[in-house]
Parts: sequence; structure tokens; C-alpha cells
Amino acid sequence: AQTVTQSQPEMSVQEAETVTLSCTYDTSESDYYLFWYKQPPSRQMILVIRQEAYKQQNATENRFSVNFQKAAKSFSLKISDSQLGDAAMYFCAYRSAIYNTDKLIFGTGTRLQVFP
Amino acid sequence: GAGVSQSPSNKVTEKGKDVELRCDPISGHTALYWYRQSLGQGLEFLIYFQGNSAPDKSGLPSDRFSAERTGGSVSTLTIQRTQQEDSAVYLCASSLVERILVEQYFGPGTRLTVT
Repeated sequence: AQTVTQSQPEMSVQEAETVTLSCTYDTSESDYYLFWYKQPPSRQMILVIRQEAYKQQNATENRFSVNFQKAAKSFSLKISDSQLGDAAMYFCAYRSAIYNTDKLIFGTGTRLQVFP
Repeated sequence: GAGVSQSPSNKVTEKGKDVELRCDPISGHTALYWYRQSLGQGLEFLIYFQGNSAPDKSGLPSDRFSAERTGGSVSTLTIQRTQQEDSAVYLCASSLVERILVEQYFGPGTRLTVT
């Protein structure tokens, strides 16, 4: 079975600085997708960024980028120029590419605090 | 509405009572997912619907949990004889197509407290 591990329960960063959130996963599959979701206090999960495993190029979305190391099964999220609105829970998630197995498997999350 | 909606937002119930949680997906979304988020835990998959059928219900923790979807739209998650360990936030998500890499859109969840 696939598992996702986030080893940092809490992280903090100064506004305008850069922070990296760690995620590792375990799978025997070769084709899959990885995601980072943000959950603010409103509880609504928001997709931050996604990565297809077959793509070697790291995904980037504005201030958010990932470092995808397939061999190491590592998928970290880098937030540049941190803003107060980035404060939230961040969840790493895995999804198999096998048909009819479309559920997301989540890590336990990292709470990010942003200080002014 | 524009997004996934869930009701009620919060539910407090006594141990042993049955509860129903409702999810209204985004109009036209064929895939619907239920997840459970316990305190200090990540989201745990419960069940997945494609249309009105549930090809994957492997995450339902016991036979006290059931879900249905009607008209390819609204879904109801029912928990019978609730226990304190059922206390959690129940999140629903929907997506347009279940296989191609398409984003799952989440609702705000229902916080269930069993006393």
C-alpha cells in the first residue's frame, strides 16, 4: 500500500522569506501523481501544485515550486517570498495512475506559521 | 452554487444516534469522494462514486458507515450508532472526470462531534 509521510508537524517562516516543506512517499508503482494542498482555517482544501511522476521537470506555480526526486521518493514544497496569507495546514498527497484507483492518499500535514 | 457545498457545517450528536451528512458537488461533476479528517491526522479516504455507483468503498471503516448518491449529484454519508471515535471533519470532493488528471474540488466539510 502507498503511504505519504510529512515529518514536520509545524514550520514557521518570516514574511518575505523562503520555506521548504518536506514530504516522502512509498510506492511500488511507476506512474502516479503528487499534490500539495493548502487548508486554511476555513477547512476548504485548495490545490497548490501538482506533479506528474513521468515528468522530470519540477512543477512551478508562481511563488510555489516543488523539488521532485523520484528515486528518493521525495516531494518537497518550496514557498518563496512568504506572505501572511500562506499560513495554513499543508498536505502532501499521492494518487495512483491506475484506473479506478483515484483516491488521494494524504500525509498528516504541516502547519505553517508566517510571522510579520 | 459555484463550489462543493456540505451540510450541516457542524453536527453534535449523542453516542448511539444515527447521523446523515450531505454533499452537493459542483454541477456536472461525475466523480465524488468522501474523506475523513481526524484531529492531528491527514485526510483518510472513505468512498468514491462515479455517477451513482461506488467502485471503491474500501475506506469505509465499518458497516456502520454507508453512503449513497442519487441522480449523479447529491451524496449522503450515513453513520449509524455513532461512536466517539467517529468524531472528525468529513470532507467531500468532486471532479469532472475520474481518471484523467483533473483537480478534486473540496467542500468546507462537516465537523461531527459525538458526545
